[in-house]
Amino acid sequence: DQQVKQNSPSLSVQEGRISILNCDYTNSMFDYFLWYKKYPAEGPTFLISISSIKDKNEDGRFTVFLNKSAKHLSLHIVPSQPGDSAVYFCAASVGTGANNLFFGTGTRLTVIP
Amino acid sequence: DAMVIQNPRYQVTQFGKPVTLSCSQTLNHNVMYWYQQKSSQAPKLLFHYYDKDFNNEADTPDNFQSRRPNTSFCFLDIRSPGLGDAAMYLCATSRGTFGNEQFFGPGTRLTVL
Repeated sequence: DQQVKQNSPSLSVQEGRISILNCDYTNSMFDYFLWYKKYPAEGPTFLISISSIKDKNEDGRFTVFLNKSAKHLSLHIVPSQPGDSAVYFCAASVGTGANNLFFGTGTRLTVIP
Repeated sequence: DAMVIQNPRYQVTQFGKPVTLSCSQTLNHNVMYWYQQKSSQAPKLLFHYYDKDFNNEADTPDNFQSRRPNTSFCFLDIRSPGLGDAAMYLCATSRGTFGNEQFFGPGTRLTVL
């Protein structure tokens, strides 16, 4: 039972435009959400996170939006750069202490120069 | 640079032949995790160590075991690999407090012949 879903396996965007990656979750107990970026032959790298007490978190070109009522979050990348081409994983966790992360299946972003 | 190291990067074993995957970290994090990721699927948590406390996910097969002899090292033992165990195995670490992101190694790709 997939509790975190990324329904778009892939996304292509022109360089300089906005990339929007979407993620839905089913478990209302999730209270912390993260985005990871993964390049080929490397492990996932933490990108940005958001707590359920917020609805937006921004870090440079990356912004994550959380809509708790819709159980939906999105990652915006503006402007998109070719180096952003990677697989992006959405993840969620419950509670405090060691975080058991529940991952989505990932979205492959390709930024076209 | 502080990091999470996994050896080997590629492992080939035969059906039923025990195999051990290794993870080490220089981050001095108290939590270490093992994930299994099959092709086009989300990484799935197998178990984690919070310091010396072992936490097994309910649906992790008995075929999978883990050892953590010290803070820096953690091993994944697959006692009798089946064809369905072929996957990427990711090791991760975290400081274990609420909301901390996990740091991943590059993974070990296991092939079962």
